[in-house]
Formats: sequence, structure tokens, C-alpha cells
Amino acid sequence: DAGITQSPRYKITETGRQVTLMCHQTWSHSYMFWYRQDLGHGLRLIYYSAAADITDKGEVPDGYVVSRSKTENFPLTLESATRSQTSVYFCASSELSDYEQYFGPGTRLTVT
Amino acid sequence: AQSVTQPDIHITVSEGASLELRCNYSYGATPYLFWYVQSPGQGLQLLLKYFSGDTLVQGIKGFEAEFKRSQSSFNLRKPSVHWSDAAEYFCAVVALNSGNTPLVFGKGTRLSVIA
Repeated sequence: DAGITQSPRYKITETGRQVTLMCHQTWSHSYMFWYRQDLGHGLRLIYYSAAADITDKGEVPDGYVVSRSKTENFPLTLESATRSQTSVYFCASSELSDYEQYFGPGTRLTVT
Repeated sequence: AQSVTQPDIHITVSEGASLELRCNYSYGATPYLFWYVQSPGQGLQLLLKYFSGDTLVQGIKGFEAEFKRSQSSFNLRKPSVHWSDAAEYFCAVVALNSGNTPLVFGKGTRLSVIA
């Protein structure tokens, strides 16, 4: 089905482990974004990408790595997870000519 | 840098009552403005957006918002709230002619609806 999907939807991991959150969109949108949502902070941008092989930092990039080898995929990796990275992570995409962002369903990550 | 303020963290209204959620932005140039809604456990869905033209914008689910440049505001309204409107609402802004830079979101307003 067309749209934007995230996997896994739920993940529990231990401190120090590497974990990758996947994001896939079928619209061929140029832009993709990763946000984290925490109580009291709203949505904060982690990284975004304007096209394949082009990424840029957002407000809270520390501890995260992204890549974009294909237009449709934008994985987010926590290289060494910490408890402070427990959060709900949202991926979004938008087209170059339209600022509206389309959001995935989110991944709830718990770091123990 | 642009910023968005949603002064109300939590609002409770009775079903059938009117609703107004406040949003103020800080940006010198003409902004693009958005309202998103997030139901529990869900992603964000666009309610409406303002780019230019008529300052009163109609959205989905019976919502509307009015852009007031003099007050740097983009308040969301609904004349009669339904129980299914209980959700978190986010206002967002992006600067016009800034390229497709990321949206800046407010911290959200949680709406509770009581019978």
C-alpha cells in the first residue's frame, strides 16, 4: 500500500546496544525527517534528508546516525542506546514543492 | 530562528461546546502555518494549512483557523466539539522562501472532551 511505514512499531533494547529504526515511503518524496516525541517537549527534529545521500542535523542529533542510500528509505540508528533515548520516534516525508509533511505511525522505543 | 508557542498545555471542553486552541509564531517573514492532530497511539494528521490568500482557512473534521499577521497568531477553532476530537493538537510553522526546511512545531495542546 502507498504511504509511509515504520518498523518495528515497538522495540525494547538494553543500554549500550545498537538499534536501527526503519522508515519507508512509497511516494518518492524528496524530503524525509526523523522526530522524537517526549512529554513536555512536543516533536523535536533529529535529522532530515533533502534527497538520497544528503542529510542534515536537526535540533537533537547527538547519539543518532542516519543514512539515505535510496529515496524511499531513511533508517535511523542509535549506535549505543541510552535511557534518555527512550521515546516515540516519528518519520515523515514531504515533496520538494509542498511543505506539508506526512507522518508514519511511530516507533515506541524503550531503552532499559 | 522561527518558534511556535502553544500557551495551553491542556484544555477540557464539554461535548457540543466551541473550541479555540491558540498558536503564536515568531518569524519576521511570511510563514507557512499548519495544524496537525494526533490521536492516542497514532501519527500526526494534517488538519489544515495556510500559505497565502484568505486568512480564514477551512480544514478537515469541521476545523478552521484564522491567520492574524498583526498578532502573529494562527488559532484553531471548531464551533461544536465531538468526543472524537479528544487528541493532541500541534501548530507548526515553516518560513516562506526558505527552501523546504523542516517544520518547527509547538509543544502541543492536549484536548479532553467531557460529556
